Amino acid sequence: DAGVIQSPRHEVTEMGQEVTLRCKPISGHDYLFWYRQTMMRGLELLIYFNNNVPIDDSGMPEDRFSAKMPNASFSTLKIQPSEPRDSAVYFCASSELPGGEQFFGPGTRLTVL
Amino acid sequence: DAKTTQPPSMDCAEGRAANLPCNHSTISGNEYVYWYRQIHSQGPQYIIHGLKNNETNEMASLIITEDRKSSTLILPHATLRDTAVYYCIVRVAGSSNTGKLIFGQGTTLQVKP
Repeated sequence: DAGVIQSPRHEVTEMGQEVTLRCKPISGHDYLFWYRQTMMRGLELLIYFNNNVPIDDSGMPEDRFSAKMPNASFSTLKIQPSEPRDSAVYFCASSELPGGEQFFGPGTRLTVL
Repeated sequence: DAKTTQPPSMDCAEGRAANLPCNHSTISGNEYVYWYRQIHSQGPQYIIHGLKNNETNEMASLIITEDRKSSTLILPHATLRDTAVYYCIVRVAGSSNTGKLIFGQGTTLQVKP
C-alpha cells in the first residue's frame, strides 16, 4: 500500500480564496482524521470520520472550515474564505480501529498571504 | 484523556540508549500509554503502546511503572535518524475509544554523533 496520500503537498494562496485539501486513506481503514499543526498550538485534531460519517468535529475552528468524506477512499478539508492565521501544516491520518495505530500522510503545507 | 508531562528536550549520543520519560499521574485504569514520533517535515509515526506490562517491538521498548503513573520509552541504540519529537499520549482503547489522539508538546530528542 502507498500509505495515506495527501494533495497538494504545498499550497500558497491569498486571503479570501477557497482552499481544498485532499486525502486518500489506506484501503480498508474505516477511520480518517484531519489534524492541523502550527508552532503556536502544536498538533490539533480537527475532525474525524468513521465509515465516512463525521463523528467528532469539535476541533474545527470555525464555520469557514468544512470536511467531507463522500466515499471510503477520499476526503476533503475545505477552508472558505481562507485567512493568514490558517497557515499551517494539515495532516490526514487513517486507522483500521479507533484505538489502533494511526498512519499519517505527509501533510499539506498551507500558506495564506 | 489524561494529560502527560514530558521534558521539552534531550540529547543522546549516537549508539547509546535514549531513555525518554513521561509522567501521567492521572491515568485511568482503562487508559493505554502510546508513543508517537515526528521526524522533521514528516507526519507523526506510531512507535509502541502498552497498558501495564512492559512492551518491546522492533523500534523500541516501553517501561511502565507498577503504579502506571509514569513510563519510559527506550531506544536501545539511537541513530541520527532517531532525531525527532517524541510524543507520549494516554488514551482509552477498545470499544470506548473515541479515536482521538491529543498531542502535547513532546520531547525533542537530538541524537549527536
